[in-house]
Amino acid sequence: QVQLVQSGAEVKKPGSSVKVSCKASGGTFSSYAISWVRQAPGQGLEWMGGIIPIFGTANYAQKFQGRVTITTDESTSTAYMELSSLRSEDTAVYYCASDGGYCSSTSCYVYWGQGTLVTVSS
Amino acid sequence: QSALTQPASVSGSPGQSITISCTGTSSDVGSYNLVSWYQQHPGKAPKLMIYEVSKRPSGVSNRFSGSKSGNTASLTISGLQAEDEADYYCCSYAGSSTEVFGGGTKLTVL
Repeated sequence: QVQLVQSGAEVKKPGSSVKVSCKASGGTFSSYAISWVRQAPGQGLEWMGGIIPIFGTANYAQKFQGRVTITTDESTSTAYMELSSLRSEDTAVYYCASDGGYCSSTSCYVYWGQGTLVTVSS
Repeated sequence: QSALTQPASVSGSPGQSITISCTGTSSDVGSYNLVSWYQQHPGKAPKLMIYEVSKRPSGVSNRFSGSKSGNTASLTISGLQAEDEADYYCCSYAGSSTEVFGGGTKLTVL
């Protein structure tokens, strides 16, 4: 059983950056993929990008290329998502999600963090 | 990477069956048997209901089933119950280690 615990809510100014963390417990952190998904108020889910720690290379949705960076720290079983050049439209709940080794394939998010609300406001 | 297309809303009465469609392209849904479905209640994190088109994670009711034909995947819920009222999202692998979600469907149990 994998648990994902995210960092707390953030309030940011337009143009700044935010870094959200996702600490995993259970399972073998380095071998399962972790993705970041966001949800703007009243809107749907949006895949931002993902990473498999053992490989170390992140992949991003085209929409966020150049603005998002996903990294991991295997020593603390923590994944990070940093979004830069924030604008009001980035106000959303940001989730980390993973299969935790449950699935042998992708697009299989069994485990979710509790979500982190990022508010971008001047 | 355009969002997959889902109906904005569907409804059904208790005990009935409903189907939610998820239309993509030959670059995502049509090319991979890697479609998943998520249920989300207000204020909660999504919950995986179906993966790899038609597989159910342990603990998910067998009233939920998935299928795919061409570029369209479908989620069917049989024997509708009040607690099924929620938003539902499909997700597909889109190649090059990327994923894409559908716009979401609000299910109302009448």
